[in-house]
Amino acid sequence: QKEVEQDPGPLSVPEGAIVSLNCTYSNSAFQYFMWYRQYSRKGPELLMYTYSSGNKEDGRFTAQVDKSSKYISLFIRDSQPSDSATYLCAMSPYNFNKFYFGSGTKLNVKP
Amino acid sequence: GAGVSQSPSNKVTEKGKDVELRCDPISGHTALYWYRQRLGQGLEFLIYFQGNSAPDKSGLPSDRFSAERTGESVSTLTIQRTQQEDSAVYLCASSLVASGTNEQFFGPGTRLTVL
Repeated sequence: QKEVEQDPGPLSVPEGAIVSLNCTYSNSAFQYFMWYRQYSRKGPELLMYTYSSGNKEDGRFTAQVDKSSKYISLFIRDSQPSDSATYLCAMSPYNFNKFYFGSGTKLNVKP
Repeated sequence: GAGVSQSPSNKVTEKGKDVELRCDPISGHTALYWYRQRLGQGLEFLIYFQGNSAPDKSGLPSDRFSAERTGESVSTLTIQRTQQEDSAVYLCASSLVASGTNEQFFGPGTRLTVL
């Protein structure tokens, strides 16, 4: 079993839709949870970062962590064509020595 | 300032040859990570350097893979006797561990093709 599971998609939505991206994990030692966005042929860039359980909002993006269910989500409101990319979840134990990434969900927002 | 840079951007090699990939982290970043990303896959952790501590090599897939870092500067990832299954994008990231968020800044990657 992989440490982090993520539906690879692809996910295709119309512009303006609300997008929900999810990951599940198995290691209860994970404390830090991140979402990265990766455009084609580029390195990933950090979108959102949360520590432990709870919600965090940044503009059109909301990250949720439910440690009891070992489940994290990223919501994108009013999605735009420029949001079209691959979204990777990542998580780490408290000491940051290793990050575990999901396989990524490819999102396409149609104009 | 400059971000993380990697060279070469693309490398095509023949099976059995050795390759060396280079990563220049952001100046002052004490932590450096190497990852492998196969086509359509997520990032696979390879190795982690933190300051002068012993590196965490637990992700290296075989003894054909090795990496070095001099102090808090350049790192090189070496793959000996390359195999076709080594074909992937190799990504390097650096971070300032003391920042609290420990945001990793990624380079653009080196796309390795083993024929």
